[in-house]
Amino acid sequence: AQKITQTQPGMFVQEKEAVTLDCTYDTSDPSYGLFWYKQPSSGEMIFLIYQGSYDQQNATEGRYSLNFQKARKSANLVISASQLGDSAMYFCAMREGPSTNSNSGYALNFGKGTSLLVTP
Amino acid sequence: DVKVTQSSRYLVKRTGEKVFLECVQDMDHENMFWYRQDPGLGLRLIYFSYDVKMKEKGDIPEGYSVSREKKERFSLILESASTNQTSMYLCASTPGGAGGDYEQYFGPGTRLTVT
Repeated sequence: AQKITQTQPGMFVQEKEAVTLDCTYDTSDPSYGLFWYKQPSSGEMIFLIYQGSYDQQNATEGRYSLNFQKARKSANLVISASQLGDSAMYFCAMREGPSTNSNSGYALNFGKGTSLLVTP
Repeated sequence: DVKVTQSSRYLVKRTGEKVFLECVQDMDHENMFWYRQDPGLGLRLIYFSYDVKMKEKGDIPEGYSVSREKKERFSLILESASTNQTSMYLCASTPGGAGGDYEQYFGPGTRLTVT
Protein backbone atom coordinates (compact mmCIF):
# COMPACT_ATOMS: atom_id res chain seq x y z
CA ALA A 1 0.00 0.00 0.00
CA GLN A 2 1.17 3.50 -0.74
CA LYS A 3 2.63 4.99 2.42
CA ILE A 4 3.00 8.53 1.12
CA THR A 5 0.34 10.11 -1.06
CA GLN A 6 0.79 13.31 -2.99
CA THR A 7 -2.48 13.96 -4.77
CA GLN A 8 -1.38 16.95 -6.87
CA PRO A 9 0.67 15.86 -9.89
CA GLY A 10 1.06 19.49 -10.97
CA MET A 11 0.50 22.91 -9.45
CA PHE A 12 0.71 26.49 -10.69
CA VAL A 13 1.29 29.53 -8.53
CA GLN A 14 1.96 33.15 -9.31
CA GLU A 15 5.19 34.71 -8.15
CA LYS A 16 5.00 36.16 -4.61
CA GLU A 17 1.92 34.10 -3.75
CA ALA A 18 1.91 31.31 -1.16
CA VAL A 19 1.32 27.70 -2.20
CA THR A 20 0.51 24.52 -0.30
CA LEU A 21 1.66 21.12 -1.51
CA ASP A 22 -0.32 18.26 -0.03
CA CYS A 23 1.07 15.12 1.55
CA THR A 24 -0.70 12.42 3.50
CA TYR A 25 0.99 9.41 5.03
CA ASP A 26 0.08 6.05 6.40
CA THR A 27 1.86 4.41 9.31
CA SER A 28 1.02 2.61 12.51
CA ASP A 29 4.45 3.32 13.98
CA PRO A 30 4.34 5.97 16.75
CA SER A 31 7.85 7.12 15.87
CA TYR A 32 8.40 8.48 12.38
CA GLY A 33 9.87 11.42 10.54
CA LEU A 34 8.59 13.39 7.60
CA PHE A 35 10.80 15.07 5.01
CA TRP A 36 10.32 17.33 2.02
CA TYR A 37 12.80 17.44 -0.85
CA LYS A 38 12.99 19.69 -3.88
CA GLN A 39 14.29 18.44 -7.22
CA PRO A 40 14.97 21.15 -9.82
CA SER A 41 15.38 20.30 -13.49
CA SER A 42 19.11 19.77 -12.89
CA GLY A 43 18.18 16.60 -11.01
CA GLU A 44 19.78 17.04 -7.60
CA MET A 45 17.65 16.31 -4.54
CA ILE A 46 17.65 19.23 -2.10
CA PHE A 47 16.50 18.70 1.47
CA LEU A 48 14.02 21.37 2.57
CA ILE A 49 12.45 20.57 5.91
CA TYR A 50 11.94 17.85 8.51
CA GLN A 51 9.20 17.11 11.05
CA GLY A 52 9.44 14.44 13.73
CA SER A 53 6.32 12.68 14.92
CA TYR A 54 6.88 13.86 18.49
CA ASP A 55 7.63 17.45 17.60
CA GLN A 56 5.08 19.74 19.20
CA GLN A 57 5.59 22.66 16.87
CA ASN A 58 5.32 22.80 13.09
CA ALA A 59 8.74 22.91 11.45
CA THR A 60 9.81 26.07 9.64
CA GLU A 61 12.86 26.82 7.50
CA GLY A 62 12.89 30.26 5.96
CA ARG A 63 10.06 30.45 3.42
CA TYR A 64 9.17 26.79 3.99
CA SER A 65 6.86 25.57 6.69
CA LEU A 66 5.34 22.20 7.33
CA ASN A 67 1.68 22.09 8.32
CA PHE A 68 1.71 18.94 10.45
CA GLN A 69 -1.70 17.54 11.38
CA LYS A 70 -0.97 14.30 13.16
CA ALA A 71 -4.55 13.13 13.65
CA ARG A 72 -5.23 13.57 9.95
CA LYS A 73 -1.84 12.11 9.01
CA SER A 74 -1.01 15.03 6.82
CA ALA A 75 2.23 16.95 6.40
CA ASN A 76 1.63 19.68 3.86
CA LEU A 77 4.46 21.91 2.68
CA VAL A 78 3.72 25.62 2.57
CA ILE A 79 5.96 27.86 0.49
CA SER A 80 5.43 31.53 1.18
CA ALA A 81 6.23 34.32 -1.28
CA SER A 82 6.94 31.98 -4.22
CA GLN A 83 9.90 32.74 -6.45
CA LEU A 84 10.59 31.68 -10.03
CA GLY A 85 13.40 29.51 -8.71
CA ASP A 86 10.90 27.47 -6.72
CA SER A 87 9.74 25.79 -9.95
CA ALA A 88 10.68 22.14 -9.42
CA MET A 89 9.44 18.70 -8.41
CA TYR A 90 8.67 18.37 -4.71
CA PHE A 91 8.74 15.07 -2.89
CA CYS A 92 7.32 14.19 0.49
CA ALA A 93 9.00 11.27 2.26
CA MET A 94 8.62 9.35 5.50
CA ARG A 95 11.02 7.44 7.72
CA GLU A 96 9.32 4.94 10.00
CA GLY A 97 10.80 3.93 13.34
CA PRO A 98 13.55 1.30 13.27
CA SER A 99 12.23 -2.22 13.36
CA THR A 100 13.43 -4.53 16.10
CA ASN A 101 15.00 -6.94 13.64
CA SER A 102 16.92 -4.71 11.31
CA ASN A 103 18.32 -1.29 10.75
CA SER A 104 15.76 -0.58 8.08
CA GLY A 105 14.39 2.39 9.99
CA TYR A 106 16.59 4.79 8.09
CA ALA A 107 15.13 4.14 4.64
CA LEU A 108 12.68 6.67 3.27
CA ASN A 109 9.37 6.05 1.53
CA PHE A 110 8.78 8.71 -1.11
CA GLY A 111 5.59 10.00 -2.66
CA LYS A 112 5.24 10.34 -6.41
CA GLY A 113 5.93 14.04 -6.30
CA THR A 114 4.25 17.31 -7.23
CA SER A 115 5.51 19.45 -10.09
CA LEU A 116 5.32 23.12 -9.13
CA LEU A 117 5.48 25.87 -11.73
CA VAL A 118 5.84 29.45 -10.56
CA THR A 119 4.67 31.98 -13.14
CA PRO A 120 5.64 35.67 -13.35
CA ASP B 1 29.80 19.82 3.34
CA VAL B 2 28.70 16.27 2.79
CA LYS B 3 29.50 15.07 -0.63
CA VAL B 4 27.98 12.08 -2.36
CA THR B 5 29.41 11.37 -5.78
CA GLN B 6 28.30 8.93 -8.45
CA SER B 7 30.64 7.56 -11.07
CA SER B 8 28.69 8.73 -14.12
CA ARG B 9 25.96 11.25 -14.88
CA TYR B 10 24.95 9.48 -18.09
CA LEU B 11 25.47 5.89 -19.11
CA VAL B 12 24.37 3.91 -22.17
CA LYS B 13 24.59 0.12 -22.06
CA ARG B 14 23.38 -2.75 -24.18
CA THR B 15 20.86 -5.38 -23.12
CA GLY B 16 22.56 -8.24 -21.33
CA GLU B 17 25.61 -6.27 -20.23
CA LYS B 18 26.73 -6.27 -16.61
CA VAL B 19 26.56 -2.71 -15.30
CA PHE B 20 28.24 -1.20 -12.26
CA LEU B 21 27.06 2.04 -10.73
CA GLU B 22 29.39 3.43 -8.10
CA CYS B 23 28.62 5.76 -5.24
CA VAL B 24 31.09 7.31 -2.81
CA GLN B 25 30.39 9.48 0.23
CA ASP B 26 33.01 11.38 2.19
CA MET B 27 31.31 11.86 5.57
CA ASP B 28 31.77 8.48 7.21
CA HIS B 29 28.05 7.73 7.03
CA GLU B 30 26.90 4.28 8.12
CA ASN B 31 23.84 4.10 5.89
CA MET B 32 23.82 4.17 2.12
CA PHE B 33 20.92 3.74 -0.29
CA TRP B 34 20.17 3.14 -3.94
CA TYR B 35 16.92 4.43 -5.43
CA ARG B 36 15.57 4.51 -8.91
CA GLN B 37 13.41 7.35 -10.09
CA ASP B 38 10.86 7.05 -12.88
CA PRO B 39 8.35 9.67 -14.03
CA GLY B 40 5.09 9.41 -12.14
CA LEU B 41 6.48 6.84 -9.71
CA GLY B 42 8.69 8.93 -7.46
CA LEU B 43 11.76 7.34 -5.88
CA ARG B 44 11.72 3.65 -5.11
CA LEU B 45 14.24 1.96 -2.86
CA ILE B 46 16.28 -0.79 -4.48
CA TYR B 47 18.75 -1.71 -1.74
CA PHE B 48 20.34 -0.16 1.26
CA SER B 49 23.30 -0.88 3.49
CA TYR B 50 23.73 0.00 7.15
CA ASP B 51 27.31 -1.19 7.53
CA VAL B 52 30.20 -2.63 5.58
CA LYS B 53 29.18 -5.91 3.97
CA MET B 54 25.63 -5.52 5.32
CA LYS B 55 22.70 -4.98 3.00
CA GLU B 56 18.95 -5.19 2.95
CA LYS B 57 16.52 -5.39 0.07
CA GLY B 58 14.29 -2.47 -0.61
CA ASP B 59 11.02 -2.45 -2.49
CA ILE B 60 12.32 -3.38 -5.95
CA PRO B 61 15.51 -5.48 -5.65
CA GLU B 62 14.80 -7.83 -8.56
CA GLY B 63 17.48 -7.68 -11.21
CA TYR B 64 19.91 -5.81 -8.96
CA SER B 65 22.61 -6.64 -6.47
CA VAL B 66 24.86 -4.46 -4.33
CA SER B 67 28.29 -4.47 -2.80
CA ARG B 68 29.71 -2.57 0.12
CA GLU B 69 33.30 -3.57 0.79
CA LYS B 70 34.33 -0.20 2.24
CA LYS B 71 32.29 2.18 4.34
CA GLU B 72 32.47 5.04 1.86
CA ARG B 73 31.55 3.08 -1.27
CA PHE B 74 28.28 1.44 -2.25
CA SER B 75 27.96 -0.19 -5.65
CA LEU B 76 24.81 -1.13 -7.52
CA ILE B 77 25.15 -3.97 -9.98
CA LEU B 78 22.83 -4.85 -12.81
CA GLU B 79 23.77 -8.46 -13.50
CA SER B 80 22.22 -8.51 -16.98
CA ALA B 81 20.84 -5.13 -17.99
CA SER B 82 17.39 -5.01 -19.52
CA THR B 83 15.52 -2.18 -21.21
CA ASN B 84 13.11 -1.89 -18.28
CA GLN B 85 16.05 -0.86 -16.14
CA THR B 86 16.41 2.36 -18.11
CA SER B 87 15.98 4.94 -15.38
CA MET B 88 17.57 7.59 -13.19
CA TYR B 89 19.53 6.03 -10.32
CA LEU B 90 20.12 8.03 -7.17
CA CYS B 91 22.48 7.17 -4.36
CA ALA B 92 22.06 8.61 -0.87
CA SER B 93 23.72 8.40 2.52
CA THR B 94 22.85 9.28 6.07
CA PRO B 95 24.48 8.92 9.47
CA GLY B 96 23.51 6.04 11.70
CA GLY B 97 22.87 6.06 15.42
CA ALA B 98 19.76 6.23 17.52
CA GLY B 99 16.77 8.19 16.29
CA GLY B 100 17.57 8.30 12.64
CA ASP B 101 16.22 11.82 12.29
CA TYR B 102 18.72 12.75 9.66
CA GLU B 103 18.21 13.97 6.16
CA GLN B 104 19.48 11.78 3.38
CA TYR B 105 22.22 13.33 1.29
CA PHE B 106 21.87 12.55 -2.38
CA GLY B 107 24.32 12.20 -5.20
CA PRO B 108 23.71 13.91 -8.56
CA GLY B 109 22.17 10.78 -10.11
CA THR B 110 23.09 8.52 -13.01
CA ARG B 111 20.78 8.45 -15.98
CA LEU B 112 21.10 4.93 -17.38
CA THR B 113 19.80 4.00 -20.81
CA VAL B 114 19.73 0.33 -21.78
CA THR B 115 19.33 -0.28 -25.52
